[in-house]
Amino acid sequence: GQNIDQPTEMTATEGAIVQINCTYQTSGFNGLFWYQQHAGEAPTFLSYNVLDGLEEKGRFSSFLSRSKGYSYLLLKELQMKDSASYLCAVTDSNYQLIWGAGTKLIIKP
Amino acid sequence: IAGITQAPTSQILAAGRRMTLRCTQDMRHNAMYWYRQDLGLGLRLIHYSNTAGTTGKGEVPDGYSVSRANTDDFPLTLASAVPSQTSVYFCASSETVGSSGREQFFGPGTRLTVL
Repeated sequence: GQNIDQPTEMTATEGAIVQINCTYQTSGFNGLFWYQQHAGEAPTFLSYNVLDGLEEKGRFSSFLSRSKGYSYLLLKELQMKDSASYLCAVTDSNYQLIWGAGTKLIIKP
Repeated sequence: IAGITQAPTSQILAAGRRMTLRCTQDMRHNAMYWYRQDLGLGLRLIHYSNTAGTTGKGEVPDGYSVSRANTDDFPLTLASAVPSQTSVYFCASSETVGSSGREQFFGPGTRLTVL
Protein backbone atom coordinates (compact mmCIF):
# COMPACT_ATOMS: atom_id res chain seq x y z
CA GLY A 1 0.00 0.00 0.00
CA GLN A 2 0.95 3.64 -0.29
CA ASN A 3 1.57 5.61 2.87
CA ILE A 4 2.68 9.09 3.87
CA ASP A 5 3.46 9.74 7.54
CA GLN A 6 3.70 13.13 9.24
CA PRO A 7 3.33 14.19 12.87
CA THR A 8 -0.22 15.26 13.62
CA GLU A 9 0.65 18.43 15.49
CA MET A 10 3.69 20.48 16.49
CA THR A 11 4.16 23.58 18.62
CA ALA A 12 6.93 26.15 18.26
CA THR A 13 7.77 29.64 19.46
CA GLU A 14 7.72 32.80 17.40
CA GLY A 15 11.20 33.55 16.04
CA ALA A 16 12.41 29.97 16.44
CA ILE A 17 13.10 27.19 13.90
CA VAL A 18 10.93 24.12 13.37
CA GLN A 19 11.42 20.97 11.29
CA ILE A 20 8.43 18.99 10.04
CA ASN A 21 9.24 15.45 8.95
CA CYS A 22 7.58 13.31 6.31
CA THR A 23 8.26 9.66 5.52
CA TYR A 24 6.73 7.89 2.57
CA GLN A 25 6.21 4.49 0.99
CA THR A 26 4.74 4.74 -2.47
CA SER A 27 4.60 2.79 -5.72
CA GLY A 28 7.20 4.76 -7.60
CA PHE A 29 8.45 8.26 -6.96
CA ASN A 30 8.27 11.27 -9.22
CA GLY A 31 8.76 14.10 -6.77
CA LEU A 32 7.64 15.38 -3.39
CA PHE A 33 5.62 18.51 -2.67
CA TRP A 34 5.01 20.56 0.45
CA TYR A 35 1.86 22.65 0.69
CA GLN A 36 0.65 25.09 3.33
CA GLN A 37 -2.99 25.20 4.34
CA HIS A 38 -4.43 27.83 6.69
CA ALA A 39 -7.58 26.87 8.55
CA GLY A 40 -10.64 27.11 6.31
CA GLU A 41 -8.58 27.82 3.21
CA ALA A 42 -7.21 25.91 0.23
CA PRO A 43 -3.73 24.38 0.15
CA THR A 44 -1.04 26.52 -1.48
CA PHE A 45 2.24 25.32 -2.96
CA LEU A 46 5.43 25.76 -0.93
CA SER A 47 8.16 23.59 -2.42
CA TYR A 48 9.06 20.71 -4.70
CA ASN A 49 11.92 18.20 -4.47
CA VAL A 50 12.76 15.49 -6.98
CA LEU A 51 16.50 15.10 -6.38
CA ASP A 52 18.24 14.43 -3.08
CA GLY A 53 19.30 17.47 -1.16
CA LEU A 54 18.12 20.78 0.18
CA GLU A 55 16.01 23.34 -1.66
CA GLU A 56 15.96 26.78 -0.02
CA LYS A 57 13.33 29.42 -0.60
CA GLY A 58 13.51 32.35 1.78
CA ARG A 59 12.58 31.29 5.31
CA PHE A 60 11.47 27.86 4.10
CA SER A 61 13.71 24.96 3.06
CA SER A 62 12.83 21.42 2.04
CA PHE A 63 15.08 18.38 2.10
CA LEU A 64 14.74 15.03 0.35
CA SER A 65 16.44 11.64 0.74
CA ARG A 66 14.98 9.22 -1.79
CA SER A 67 16.92 6.24 -0.45
CA LYS A 68 15.39 6.77 3.00
CA GLY A 69 11.93 7.74 1.79
CA TYR A 70 12.23 10.89 3.88
CA SER A 71 11.72 14.60 3.59
CA TYR A 72 11.55 17.53 5.94
CA LEU A 73 10.31 21.08 5.76
CA LEU A 74 12.37 23.59 7.73
CA LEU A 75 10.80 26.88 8.75
CA LYS A 76 13.10 29.59 10.12
CA GLU A 77 12.35 32.84 11.97
CA LEU A 78 8.83 31.67 12.70
CA GLN A 79 6.05 34.21 12.47
CA MET A 80 2.52 33.98 13.84
CA LYS A 81 1.20 33.79 10.27
CA ASP A 82 3.06 30.50 9.85
CA SER A 83 0.42 28.86 12.05
CA ALA A 84 -1.15 26.45 9.55
CA SER A 85 -1.21 22.84 8.46
CA TYR A 86 1.67 21.61 6.32
CA LEU A 87 0.89 18.87 3.84
CA CYS A 88 3.43 16.47 2.36
CA ALA A 89 2.50 14.85 -0.96
CA VAL A 90 4.36 12.39 -3.19
CA THR A 91 3.88 11.91 -6.92
CA ASP A 92 3.66 8.18 -7.57
CA SER A 93 4.46 6.12 -10.67
CA ASN A 94 1.13 7.17 -12.24
CA TYR A 95 1.91 10.84 -11.57
CA GLN A 96 -0.92 11.03 -9.06
CA LEU A 97 -0.35 12.88 -5.79
CA ILE A 98 -0.54 10.81 -2.61
CA TRP A 99 -1.18 13.10 0.36
CA GLY A 100 -0.23 12.89 4.00
CA ALA A 101 -2.81 13.89 6.61
CA GLY A 102 -0.88 17.08 7.36
CA THR A 103 0.93 18.53 10.35
CA LYS A 104 -0.82 21.28 12.28
CA LEU A 105 1.80 23.81 13.38
CA ILE A 106 0.92 26.03 16.32
CA ILE A 107 3.09 29.11 16.88
CA LYS A 108 3.17 30.63 20.35
CA PRO A 109 4.36 34.16 21.13
CA ILE B 1 -11.97 35.11 -12.98
CA ALA B 2 -8.44 34.52 -11.74
CA GLY B 3 -7.41 30.95 -10.99
CA ILE B 4 -10.01 28.42 -9.91
CA THR B 5 -13.50 29.11 -8.67
CA GLN B 6 -15.91 26.71 -7.00
CA ALA B 7 -19.61 26.96 -6.29
CA PRO B 8 -21.37 26.81 -3.98
CA THR B 9 -19.16 27.86 -1.06
CA SER B 10 -21.20 25.72 1.26
CA GLN B 11 -24.35 23.61 1.08
CA ILE B 12 -26.58 21.64 3.39
CA LEU B 13 -28.24 18.79 1.54
CA ALA B 14 -30.85 16.20 2.45
CA ALA B 15 -29.80 12.58 2.01
CA GLY B 16 -30.93 11.14 -1.29
CA ARG B 17 -30.79 14.44 -3.16
CA ARG B 18 -28.71 15.00 -6.26
CA MET B 19 -26.06 17.72 -6.13
CA THR B 20 -23.53 19.15 -8.59
CA LEU B 21 -20.47 21.00 -7.38
CA ARG B 22 -19.10 23.39 -9.96
CA CYS B 23 -15.46 24.11 -10.74
CA THR B 24 -14.05 26.50 -13.33
CA GLN B 25 -10.47 27.47 -14.09
CA ASP B 26 -9.14 30.16 -16.40
CA MET B 27 -5.49 29.09 -16.52
CA ARG B 28 -5.94 26.78 -19.54
CA HIS B 29 -4.63 23.90 -17.49
CA ASN B 30 -5.01 20.48 -19.06
CA ALA B 31 -5.38 18.47 -15.86
CA MET B 32 -8.10 18.88 -13.22
CA TYR B 33 -8.86 17.03 -10.01
CA TRP B 34 -11.51 16.63 -7.35
CA TYR B 35 -10.49 15.89 -3.77
CA ARG B 36 -12.32 15.50 -0.51
CA GLN B 37 -10.72 16.49 2.77
CA ASP B 38 -11.89 15.01 6.06
CA LEU B 39 -10.54 15.72 9.53
CA GLY B 40 -7.53 13.57 10.32
CA LEU B 41 -7.23 12.27 6.77
CA GLY B 42 -5.19 13.52 3.87
CA LEU B 43 -6.69 14.85 0.70
CA ARG B 44 -8.24 11.94 -1.15
CA LEU B 45 -8.61 11.95 -4.90
CA ILE B 46 -12.14 11.32 -6.13
CA HIS B 47 -11.82 11.75 -9.91
CA TYR B 48 -9.40 13.40 -12.26
CA SER B 49 -9.15 14.49 -15.87
CA ASN B 50 -5.89 14.60 -17.79
CA THR B 51 -7.38 16.62 -20.62
CA ALA B 52 -10.74 17.75 -21.94
CA GLY B 53 -12.88 14.77 -22.94
CA THR B 54 -11.19 12.25 -20.63
CA THR B 55 -11.78 11.34 -16.98
CA GLY B 56 -10.42 8.78 -14.55
CA LYS B 57 -11.22 7.33 -11.15
CA GLY B 58 -9.22 8.22 -8.10
CA GLU B 59 -8.98 6.62 -4.68
CA VAL B 60 -12.61 7.18 -3.58
CA PRO B 61 -14.84 7.44 -6.69
CA ASP B 62 -17.95 5.59 -5.50
CA GLY B 63 -21.06 7.75 -5.38
CA TYR B 64 -19.51 10.50 -7.51
CA SER B 65 -19.35 11.22 -11.23
CA VAL B 66 -17.57 13.87 -13.31
CA SER B 67 -17.52 15.19 -16.84
CA ARG B 68 -15.00 17.29 -18.77
CA ALA B 69 -16.75 18.75 -21.78
CA ASN B 70 -14.20 21.56 -22.16
CA THR B 71 -10.87 22.73 -20.74
CA ASP B 72 -12.30 25.14 -18.18
CA ASP B 73 -15.09 23.26 -16.40
CA PHE B 74 -15.01 20.11 -14.30
CA PRO B 75 -18.28 19.54 -12.40
CA LEU B 76 -18.63 16.86 -9.72
CA THR B 77 -22.04 15.21 -9.25
CA LEU B 78 -23.36 13.30 -6.27
CA ALA B 79 -26.20 11.24 -7.72
CA SER B 80 -27.86 10.42 -4.39
CA ALA B 81 -26.12 12.03 -1.44
CA VAL B 82 -25.39 10.08 1.75
CA PRO B 83 -24.20 11.41 5.15
CA SER B 84 -20.72 9.90 4.64
CA GLN B 85 -20.25 12.36 1.79
CA THR B 86 -20.21 15.21 4.28
CA SER B 87 -16.81 16.78 3.67
CA VAL B 88 -14.89 19.71 2.23
CA TYR B 89 -14.44 19.32 -1.50
CA PHE B 90 -11.53 20.89 -3.34
CA CYS B 91 -11.12 21.24 -7.06
CA ALA B 92 -7.56 21.60 -8.36
CA SER B 93 -5.77 21.96 -11.67
CA SER B 94 -2.26 21.62 -13.06
CA GLU B 95 -0.66 22.39 -16.40
CA THR B 96 -0.23 18.76 -17.34
CA VAL B 97 -0.08 15.31 -15.84
CA GLY B 98 2.59 12.81 -16.66
CA SER B 99 5.53 15.06 -15.94
CA SER B 100 6.96 15.76 -12.55
CA GLY B 101 7.13 19.13 -10.89
CA ARG B 102 3.71 20.33 -11.99
CA GLU B 103 2.19 21.89 -8.91
CA GLN B 104 -1.54 21.78 -8.39
CA PHE B 105 -3.54 24.94 -7.86
CA PHE B 106 -6.58 24.68 -5.63
CA GLY B 107 -9.98 26.31 -5.60
CA PRO B 108 -11.39 27.73 -2.34
CA GLY B 109 -13.41 24.59 -1.57
CA THR B 110 -17.04 23.65 -1.05
CA ARG B 111 -18.18 22.65 2.43
CA LEU B 112 -20.95 20.06 2.01
CA THR B 113 -23.13 18.71 4.79
CA VAL B 114 -25.48 15.81 4.06
CA LEU B 115 -28.19 15.25 6.65
